[in-house]
Formats: sequence, C-alpha cells, structure tokens
Amino acid sequence: GESVGLHLPTLSVQEGDNSIINCAYSNSASDYFIWYKQESGKGPQFIIDIRSNMDKRQGQRVTVLLNKTVKHLSLQIAATQPGDSAVYFCAETPGYSTLTFGKGTMLLVSP
Amino acid sequence: DVKVTQSSRYLVKRTGEKVFLECVQDMDHENMFWYRQDPGLGLRLIYFSYDVKMKEKGDIPEGYSVSREKKERFSLILESASTNQTSMYLCASTVVGGRLGGYTFGSGTRLTVV
Repeated sequence: GESVGLHLPTLSVQEGDNSIINCAYSNSASDYFIWYKQESGKGPQFIIDIRSNMDKRQGQRVTVLLNKTVKHLSLQIAATQPGDSAVYFCAETPGYSTLTFGKGTMLLVSP
Repeated sequence: DVKVTQSSRYLVKRTGEKVFLECVQDMDHENMFWYRQDPGLGLRLIYFSYDVKMKEKGDIPEGYSVSREKKERFSLILESASTNQTSMYLCASTVVGGRLGGYTFGSGTRLTVV
C-alpha cells in the first residue's frame, strides 16, 4: 500500500551508527515538544518529550535537544538498530493547545 | 496496556457513500482527536473533542463531521465520501492538557474512496 514515507526527507544509516534527526518548529510560543516514531502500518508512538525550560533530555538510547533561539529540535538515537527504521515526527504546542506536527523524516537503517 | 482502537484497518467505499470511522479508548481520556495523514502533508487535524457532546473544528473540517456521545468513543463521519478523502485516518486521545506524553494514537484506518 501507499507509504506515509513518500516525499519525506530520508536519513540512511548503518546499524550501530548514531542518528540525528532534525526538526524546525514554527511557533515561538511553543513550550512543549514531543518526538513520535511511526512504523509502517502503525500509528505514531511517543518516544520522548521536552519542556521549554530544558535544553536537553535523555531517554533510553535517545536524546532530545532543544534550541529555542533558532526554534530547532533534534532527536539523537545512539547505536541505531534495524528496528529503529521508521518515520519520525516532531510535535509542538503552546500552552494547552492542540499539537502541531512536523512532516516527518524517514530513518532507514541498514544491517 | 492502554489502547486506542480503530474499528477498521482498511475500508473501501464508493463516492457519495456515508462513511463512519469509529474510535474507542480505554484510558478515560477527556480529549480525542481525528487526523488524516497524507504523503508530503503530515498529520492534519480534522476535528477534536474535549468532552462528551463537545466538538471543535481542526484545520481541515470540510466534508467531515464527528460525534461523541460517550467519553470513550469518538466517531468521524464522511457525509458524502469523495475521492479526495482517500487517506490514512488516525484517531488519538490524551488527558486534559495533553502534556504528559502527548497523544496516544490508534493504528489507523486506511480509507480508499473509489
């Protein structure tokens, strides 16, 4: 079937490499940010979040960096595995409003 | 394990049909959302609901309506399906404020209108 990955920026890495996925957000008032992972045929799944009073947050093999000055968010995945292959979305919200999603980046991990 | 369940994974409907997409969540979440996802366009918000019988238009509500008669169920209705509504439809829910981990999504319904 048609893939949500069509027309997306793609990052191709080798297994074991570190991956960095970037996101430019649009609303300077946004104060809460989330990264989602979407595997083929599934809905997006929460990976990690960060609030605007932080510039870095670490999870298991993932780190999110926030640069509010240039409105930039990045997701770092350490020791990338084939199971990390998916589309990754950032999302932002100001206050308690609805989330606004980025268009996504496809990560392809080769064994 | 908490869940958002969408009743159908794949649907094929004819132009002009009335289509119902059902979504149920078991997390007692107040907020529920319907998005469509298209290649190159990302996730676009159609409608959302903050409470039973309440609904708010999202960014692309035209051609759609919603119903929330019970807290756990949020239905998306295509009044008269058209080919440009062929898409992946995603339902999501979250607690009030939605700041604790964001949204929980269903697996999606891929709708094809012929």
